[in-house]
Amino acid sequence: KAGVTQTPRYLIKTRGQQVTLSCSPISGHRSVSWYQQTPGQGLQFLFEYFSETQRNKGNFPGRFSGRQFSNSRSEMNVSTLELGDSALYLCASSLVGPSGTNEKLFFGSGTQLSVL
Amino acid sequence: GEDVEQSLFLSVREGDSSVINCTYTDSSSTYLYWYKQEPGAGLQLLTYIFSNMDMKQDQRLTVLLNKKDKHLSLRIADTQTGDSAIYFCAEINNTDKLIFGTGTRLQVFP
Repeated sequence: KAGVTQTPRYLIKTRGQQVTLSCSPISGHRSVSWYQQTPGQGLQFLFEYFSETQRNKGNFPGRFSGRQFSNSRSEMNVSTLELGDSALYLCASSLVGPSGTNEKLFFGSGTQLSVL
Repeated sequence: GEDVEQSLFLSVREGDSSVINCTYTDSSSTYLYWYKQEPGAGLQLLTYIFSNMDMKQDQRLTVLLNKKDKHLSLRIADTQTGDSAIYFCAEINNTDKLIFGTGTRLQVFP
């Protein structure tokens, strides 16, 4: 069974640009969550999608958005990039969501975004 | 708000036991998790414990939960060089958001 796949693996952008990151969950998983990892702030929750609907959201500005398609693949978009958006963006998939009984989150390897 | 704290570094000799500690503030946590992150990789779920348990053992891993003190620990028996990584504890409550700790970098030396 293939794991969680994130593309691209690395990305370099300049301030003011926008970026789209992609995440393909494990087959059969309907929940996709996104996290931002930085050395200073650690791992922070961005949002979670389930069956094409955003079900939960962290404390990030509106420049960060996402969506989920009918095949459960998800994308996140960051507009008007700032230097502080440089981070490793991780997505995680699970069957029904983070807190289901005996639920497990499976993480991808992440997309390393550098904003210059 | 929710807060999860860990010490930043731990260094142990190969073959010894490692104990990584974590404290959290959210008394409504339902599950608590331990994840491992190796360089250039995502997070790998190691083990988890339900909040009404106080101990869980899984091969070399032992998780202890003191709910009264909001303290979670991960003990790795017979630590190997392949265990060198960053370890994150995380908690989830009824808001369905997974809150991660700051991570503990474990270094195993021969």
